[in-house]
Amino acid sequence: AQTVTQSQPEMSVQEAETVTLSCTYDTSESDYYLFWYKQPPSRQMILVIRQEAYKQQNATENRFSVNFQKAAKSFSLKISDSQLGDAAMYFCAYRSDYGGSQGNLIFGKGTKLSVKP
Amino acid sequence: NAGVMQNPRHLVRRRGQEARLRCSPMKGHSHVYWYRQLPEEGLKFMVYLQKENIIDESGMPKERFSAEFPKEGPSILRIQQVVRGDSAAYFCASSKQGPGGQTNTEAFFGQGTRLTVV
Repeated sequence: AQTVTQSQPEMSVQEAETVTLSCTYDTSESDYYLFWYKQPPSRQMILVIRQEAYKQQNATENRFSVNFQKAAKSFSLKISDSQLGDAAMYFCAYRSDYGGSQGNLIFGKGTKLSVKP
Repeated sequence: NAGVMQNPRHLVRRRGQEARLRCSPMKGHSHVYWYRQLPEEGLKFMVYLQKENIIDESGMPKERFSAEFPKEGPSILRIQQVVRGDSAAYFCASSKQGPGGQTNTEAFFGQGTRLTVV
């Protein structure tokens, strides 16, 4: 079974600085997707960025980028120029591309990010 | 285009009562997923449904929990005889496509229903 591990329960960053959140996963599959979701206090799950395993190029979305290391099964999220609105729980998630349950996501336990003004 | 709508946002039930959580997927989406989030935890998959079919219920407890997604109307997650351990946030997500080789899919989440069992 696939697992997702986020080893940093909490992180803190100064406004305008850069922070990296770690995520590792375990799978025997070669085709899959990886995601980072943001959950602010409102509880809404917001997709931040996603990466297809078959793509070597790291995904980027404005201030958010990932470092995807397929061989190491590592998928870290870098937030540049951090803003107060970035404060939230961040969840790393895995989704298989096989079988009858392509849609269900496997989540890590999350990292709580605080942004200091 | 409204997003995934869940209601109620908050639900309080006494032990032994039934809880019914509703989820209306995004327009055009025919696949629904239910997740449970316990305090200080990530979301855990419960069940995956298409219209009128349960595709994968491997994450759902065998007893007291059931889910449906009828041809008309929202998806319903039903918890019978609730216990304190059922207190959690329950999230619904929907997507346009499911298994069958279509890989460019994305699941959109609702805001969740927070169930409190007293």
